[in-house]
Amino acid sequence: GAVVSQHPSRVICKSGTSVKIECRSLDFQATTMFWYRQFPKQSLMLMATSNEGSKATYEQGVEKDKFLINHASLTLSTLTVTSAHPEDSSFYICSASLHIRNSPLHFGNGTRLTVT
Amino acid sequence: RKEVEQDPGPFNVPEGATVAFNCTYSNSASQSFFWYRQDCRKEPKLLMSVYSSGNEDGRFTAQLNRASQYISLLIRDSKLSDSATYLCAVNLNTGNQFYFGTGTSLTVIP
Repeated sequence: GAVVSQHPSRVICKSGTSVKIECRSLDFQATTMFWYRQFPKQSLMLMATSNEGSKATYEQGVEKDKFLINHASLTLSTLTVTSAHPEDSSFYICSASLHIRNSPLHFGNGTRLTVT
Repeated sequence: RKEVEQDPGPFNVPEGATVAFNCTYSNSASQSFFWYRQDCRKEPKLLMSVYSSGNEDGRFTAQLNRASQYISLLIRDSKLSDSATYLCAVNLNTGNQFYFGTGTSLTVIP
């Protein structure tokens, strides 16, 4: 149980374009999903917390107008990187947990974004 | 101060060795604790939860010390396939806030 699916797994795009990443909870409902970013050889960095039916909560330093998050249903959250630039190239990973006390986070398989 | 502190390593150990990692956490209200494994260019995967009484899963043993606010992971009889980055995670269970360590890199050498 608690499978999180992320799509696409890899994206190469040109500078200035927008990229949408989907995160789905396949066998449970996720009122909250988390979006992380990880640069090579660095640790996971929480970007934002996605809340179903309401606005996402962004971490300090993360531009909400650049990283648009939509969590329109209990099983789907999307992250759109708008006007991507080479410095946005990174590994983006979503995660969710069951809303049961002491449940762990389960991660999607990640999206490797390369902006040329 | 970071919520979770973890020695980044790297740890380079021979096959068959026993290796231990520790993580300290700053918030005494933390409720649940986990160890994750992350392979290169992959997402973190849950290795095991950490229970108050300590728990074991094969060659892996996890322990929690609430008084000193740290969790540990012990790997016995290391295999080459254990080479990865190990991340600890702590959840306050309020607002579903998870905090991750920076990860400890382990390389098991033949």
